[in-house]
Amino acid sequence: QSVLTQPPSVSAAPGQKVTISCSGSSSNIGDNYISWYQHVPGIAPKLLIYDTNKRPSGIPDRFSGSKSGTSATLDITGLQSGDESDYYCGTWDHRLSAWVFGGGTKLTVL
Amino acid sequence: EVQLVQSGAEVKKPGDSLKISCKTSGYSFSNHWIAWVRHMPGRGLEWMGIIYPGDSDSRYSPSLQGQVTISADKSISTAYLQWGSLQASDTAMYYCARQRSYRLGSLHAYHYDLWGQGTLVTVSS
Repeated sequence: QSVLTQPPSVSAAPGQKVTISCSGSSSNIGDNYISWYQHVPGIAPKLLIYDTNKRPSGIPDRFSGSKSGTSATLDITGLQSGDESDYYCGTWDHRLSAWVFGGGTKLTVL
Repeated sequence: EVQLVQSGAEVKKPGDSLKISCKTSGYSFSNHWIAWVRHMPGRGLEWMGIIYPGDSDSRYSPSLQGQVTISADKSISTAYLQWGSLQASDTAMYYCARQRSYRLGSLHAYHYDLWGQGTLVTVSS
């Protein structure tokens, strides 16, 4: 059971918007910045969002992040077939003194 | 070019020892934490631990403490993950990642911006 809770799967049609949630607690999301990663099994994970809402160079503005209290959200607009992947939230947990990932969300583009 | 290049795939038997590597280049190895993350078949990403190569300070996931050892050699800008006695349940893909750490407002901020290509470890009798 992951410290950060994500829905196992989400789906939407090409061109639509999807939202992936990440729920935690005061010892992790509530008191830290969040990052999001895109992972295709067998390939190196890719940083999508850092500091809760910033995008690294090369990540399109279709990807955006936000946080409210102890929950964070990744929004993906203008869905493309190439967005099919697993998505993970992550942050530091002060109580565990360890980094924690969410359980991951599999995105399917219908 | 800034990159992390991991050692190749390994096939081992239960009880074997193993040490995999993550060779970095293009940045100051000593000044950035390096983490190890595993991806077991059908499971999510799992953070295993980190090391600060500058002084070899290391931290481990509470669930993995004692099961693996993370080390670093500053002279060759390389981090390592090792097992003393592998089990079938160690079968996974293992990634190293560079941690960015800095002060942002009143908080510390962390994220993993660079990743190795992964090392597949298969443990089977």
